[in-house]
Amino acid sequence: DSGVTQTPKHLITATGQRVTLRCSPRSGDLSVYWYQQSLDQGLQFLIQYYNGEERAKGNILERFSAQQFPDLHSELNLSSLELGDSALYFCASSVADSNAYEQYFGPGTRLTVT
Amino acid sequence: AQSVTQLDSHVSVSEGTPVLLRCNYSSSYSPSLFWYVQHPNKGLQLLLKYTSAATLVKGINGFEAEFKKSETSFHLTKPSAHMSDAAEYFCVVSVPPGNYGGSQGNLIFGKGTKLSVKP
Repeated sequence: DSGVTQTPKHLITATGQRVTLRCSPRSGDLSVYWYQQSLDQGLQFLIQYYNGEERAKGNILERFSAQQFPDLHSELNLSSLELGDSALYFCASSVADSNAYEQYFGPGTRLTVT
Repeated sequence: AQSVTQLDSHVSVSEGTPVLLRCNYSSSYSPSLFWYVQHPNKGLQLLLKYTSAATLVKGINGFEAEFKKSETSFHLTKPSAHMSDAAEYFCVVSVPPGNYGGSQGNLIFGKGTKLSVKP
């Protein structure tokens, strides 16, 4: 158990809908990262927040957005969902905003868009 | 730009025999390199990391990796495979904060190598 929690574990929704994925980092970690894992694209970095502020952006679509709240939990919002958005979404956290620190991954949220 | 290439998509070994999972990296900076493991239907777990200290890095569960700058490689090895090692392994390079752009991200993952262990 990494100490990072993600809810829900599974989500099934229809095209065009909007969903919110939630992540609680390990106690004391200020940095939260979101990743998408799909069969065709592999594991891709989406976005990073550090202490409430956006720090880095990767391959995140404009239909997706995220935020980190004062209690450091984070939410990833996916809207106008398409079939291709079906994937496993991971959240990770680390102590600080440095590539030298380990990122601890949550168990993921499996999103299925029908 | 940073990238990693895992040279084998699938490796199969017998229990008790050595494991070698190959990874080459490309980095404009002095890289931080990691190996993560993902067991079926589970999240990712860090096996080991290299951050410019000793070039031979020891990780959990008997795994180790050697950073070879001249070969731009960071291969993962284990002397003796166990059935519980069957999983997918990812070689990862880390982008220094502030040095990202376009499609680059904070951690860049290889495509993964699926390790099968036969009894």
